[in-house]
Amino acid sequence: GAGVSQSPRYKVAKRGQDVALRCDPISGHVSLFWYQQALGQGPEFLTYFQNEAQLDKSGLPSDRFFAERPEGSVSTLKIQRTQQEDSAVYLCASSSLTQGYEQYFGPGTRLTVT
Amino acid sequence: QKEVEQNSGPLSVPEGAIASLNCTYSDRGSQSFFWYRQYSGKSPELIMFIYSNGDKEDGRFTAQLNKASQYVSLLIRDSQPSDSATYLCAVNPFGAGGTSYGKLTFGQGTILTVHP
Repeated sequence: GAGVSQSPRYKVAKRGQDVALRCDPISGHVSLFWYQQALGQGPEFLTYFQNEAQLDKSGLPSDRFFAERPEGSVSTLKIQRTQQEDSAVYLCASSSLTQGYEQYFGPGTRLTVT
Repeated sequence: QKEVEQNSGPLSVPEGAIASLNCTYSDRGSQSFFWYRQYSGKSPELIMFIYSNGDKEDGRFTAQLNKASQYVSLLIRDSQPSDSATYLCAVNPFGAGGTSYGKLTFGQGTILTVHP
C-alpha cells in the first residue's frame, strides 16, 4: 500500500515568512509523529498525535511552531516567522499501534530559510 | 551524556565482511529498540526492531540487545556496497508519567561504507 507522503519535498522561505508542511500518513495509522533532522544528526522528536489529539508537543522548539491533525488523518506543521535556525529536514512518521513502536517515515520536507 | 550514543564513524568494511554497529542508551526503562538505515538525502527506513534480550535475526541482519548493559547492536553479514548508508539507533523510552507512546530518541547515526 501507499506509504507516508509529505509535501512539499523542498521549501525555500525568506526569513520571517510563514510555512506549512503537510503529512499524509499511512491509511488507518492512529499515531503520527513529527521529527526535525539537522544535517549530520539523528531525527529529534517534535510532537505526537493519537488520532486528532495532540498528546505531546514537548519537542516543539518555540511557540512559532504549531501542528494540527483536525480529522485524525492528514497533519500540518506550521512554522511562523521562520528563522535561519529552522532550516532542517522535517520528517513525519506514522504507526498503526497506539504505543507506536514501529514507525514508518515519509520522505521529509527540506526547509531552507534564507 | 546523550540519551542514545553511537560511534559516528565512518566505519569502513570490505565487501563480504561482517559490519558491527553499536549503540548505548541511558534510560534503563527503555523497552523497544530500532535500527533505521538512511541513505544520503533520503528518509530513515526501518530495518530491524527488538524488544527482548538476546538476538533477533532477519536475513543478513542480526540485532542484539542487552538491557543489563544498556547496549544494542546491529550485525550485517556479507556486507554489500549497497549497505553503505547511515545507520540510526532509536530507543523508545518511557515518559515521565510512566506511559510509553512510541516517542523515539535517536542516536546521531553511524556512517557505514562497504568497499568492493
